[in-house]
Amino acid sequence: DGGITQSPKYLFRKEGQNVTLSCEQNLNHDAMYWYRQDPGQGLRLIYYSQIVNDFQKGDIAEGYSVSREKKESFPLTVTSAQKNPTAFYLCASSRDPGNYEQYFGPGTRLTVT
Amino acid sequence: QKEVEQNSGPLSVPEGAIASLNCTYSDRVSQSFFWYRQYSGKSPELIMSIYSNGDKEDGRFTAQLNKASQYVSLLIRDSQPSDSATYLCAVIRYGNKLVFGAGTILRVKS
Repeated sequence: DGGITQSPKYLFRKEGQNVTLSCEQNLNHDAMYWYRQDPGQGLRLIYYSQIVNDFQKGDIAEGYSVSREKKESFPLTVTSAQKNPTAFYLCASSRDPGNYEQYFGPGTRLTVT
Repeated sequence: QKEVEQNSGPLSVPEGAIASLNCTYSDRVSQSFFWYRQYSGKSPELIMSIYSNGDKEDGRFTAQLNKASQYVSLLIRDSQPSDSATYLCAVIRYGNKLVFGAGTILRVKS
């Protein structure tokens, strides 16, 4: 089955801890994206990557970091510097940077207390 | 002004009716437009994309684009209770980034 997987589905952390969210795709897509969604709000872009070993900040990158060492994988680290980390995190991919149709993984719901 | 605006709803329609969802955008040079459906607690699912002025039909869904007026709409014919979800409008803006509206909640009553 081709698709995007995110793990874990639910994640609970104490304030002050870094946490890494996994995103893997087997669609052979070049571009990958991370969004967060807060209740009643649209998705906001955190980071995106158009090619392996390259990534750019989105609109709300502060307190987050990413890596893109493999085409299939784009993990997101939520650091202790992120002031309001509790949110629904969504990973997406598109065939290439010029193809704007993005497909989403199932998401990870992060709760920090 | 928000880049992409949608009425939050909820929009309530009876089963079998046409649901009309609207979206306006601020960037006049936007060229690509998308509708996603998001069920409660789930991730968004792409249901329609439209790039040219006019209508694009896919099954019970019709996307309408009017670039001069900067709005895009989604019509759902013969609405079913399973269509009850939040519908997100998304627009490509400068820098090839996708910008999302906050979504419209649709409720189809049986």
